[in-house]
Amino acid sequence: AQKITQTQPGMFVQEKEAVTLDCTYDTSDPSYGLFWYKQPSSGEMIFLIYQGSYDQQNATEGRYSLNFQKARKSANLVISASQLGDSAMYFCAMRVYNQGGKLIFGQGTELSVKP
Amino acid sequence: GAGVSQSPSNKVTEKGKDVELRCDPISGHTALYWYRQSLGQGLEFLIYFQGNSAPDKSGLPSDRFSAERTGGSVSTLTIQRTQQEDSAVYLCASSLQGALRDAKGYTFGSGTRLTVV
Repeated sequence: AQKITQTQPGMFVQEKEAVTLDCTYDTSDPSYGLFWYKQPSSGEMIFLIYQGSYDQQNATEGRYSLNFQKARKSANLVISASQLGDSAMYFCAMRVYNQGGKLIFGQGTELSVKP
Repeated sequence: GAGVSQSPSNKVTEKGKDVELRCDPISGHTALYWYRQSLGQGLEFLIYFQGNSAPDKSGLPSDRFSAERTGGSVSTLTIQRTQQEDSAVYLCASSLQGALRDAKGYTFGSGTRLTVV
């Protein structure tokens, strides 16, 4: 069975510093995608970054980068130069491609950025 | 429409009553998904539509839950005989196709907050 684990219920980071949010996953399927979403207090789900299982390089999107370690089955999100607006819930998710389009989500990490 | 629209945004219902939640996906998006998010939890997959058919309904928690999609567009999630544990935010998402790798096409609505009293 596929599973996503986020072990940090809450994290604090000082403004302008970098922070890493942990995500481990479990699947026996070789073809999958890993995603990070941000959910601010308004409740909307905002796509941040995607990593495919066959991608050779770690994904980057602006201040977001994904530290993909396939052998360890981890897909940690790194946010550089944190901003106050980064305070939100962050969810890691996985999609297994032979099982249609559904995403399997972790429990989330609540990030608080301190001024 | 420009985004995924869900209605109502909030619904309070009495235990035992039936409720209908509506999702209007982005025009042209063939895939549609329903998720449930309980307070402080991650998103739980409920059902996936490709066009009007539902190839994956494995996440529906009980036979009190059902969903349909008509005209390849609007979808309705129905919960019969609501229970207090059904209280959650119900999120809908749509994408161009269900099996593509492009997660950027997976757009979420703002959700319906359901409270069963």
